[in-house]
Amino acid sequence: EIVLTQSPGTLSLSPGERATLSCRASQSISANYLAWYQQKPGQAPRLLMNGASNWAPGIPGRFSGSGSGTDFTLTISSLEPEDFAVYYCQHYDDSFMYIFGQGTKLEIK
Amino acid sequence: QITLKESGPTLVTPTQTLTLTCTFSGFSLTTSGVGVGWIRQPPGKTLEWLAVIYWNDDDRYKPSLRSRLAITKDTSKNQVVLTMTNVHPVDTGTYFCAHVVGLGYAFDFWGPGTRVSVTS
Repeated sequence: EIVLTQSPGTLSLSPGERATLSCRASQSISANYLAWYQQKPGQAPRLLMNGASNWAPGIPGRFSGSGSGTDFTLTISSLEPEDFAVYYCQHYDDSFMYIFGQGTKLEIK
Repeated sequence: QITLKESGPTLVTPTQTLTLTCTFSGFSLTTSGVGVGWIRQPPGKTLEWLAVIYWNDDDRYKPSLRSRLAITKDTSKNQVVLTMTNVHPVDTGTYFCAHVVGLGYAFDFWGPGTRVSVTS
């Protein structure tokens, strides 16, 4: 069973700084089925990136995704106050269906 | 504009069956490739995918929960229903339904979620 491990668990940064969030798969996965979501307290997740590096409609350009194989990264180039939230990676595998990582909490330092 | 909204009981007694309804607008579940999935989130924890149903009645379930879940659609009412049998306190959480296009692709529109508490 594929496991997605996100790191760090919590990331403390200031507005304007660069954020780098990691998602590591327990075995090689297809980037085509790797997505990133943002979730704020009391809200539903919001799709940020699909296919590892493709922006969902309406997502600002400061967000970018990259990676292949087992290592994937979500980068926020310059943090805005509204970016502080929890971020999840998600993968689809035909054997195990949809899998989510445990999340990274991005908090204001 | 695509919208989804979940509805169902807020309190369920252990061993009972939970029935949740997702009512949507802005798309049709008769359109090729379109699907609706259910994802839940226990308090303070990560997301857990449960099931998905597609326009052609293809359905998939999380393997470990397959025996307890059933997902159906009513295209005339624009609704998707998830039933979960034999619920227990560990099934407590917020349940979301979400729109997807294509098997394996990301959930691009989500409902606000409905909170369910399983307690005696």
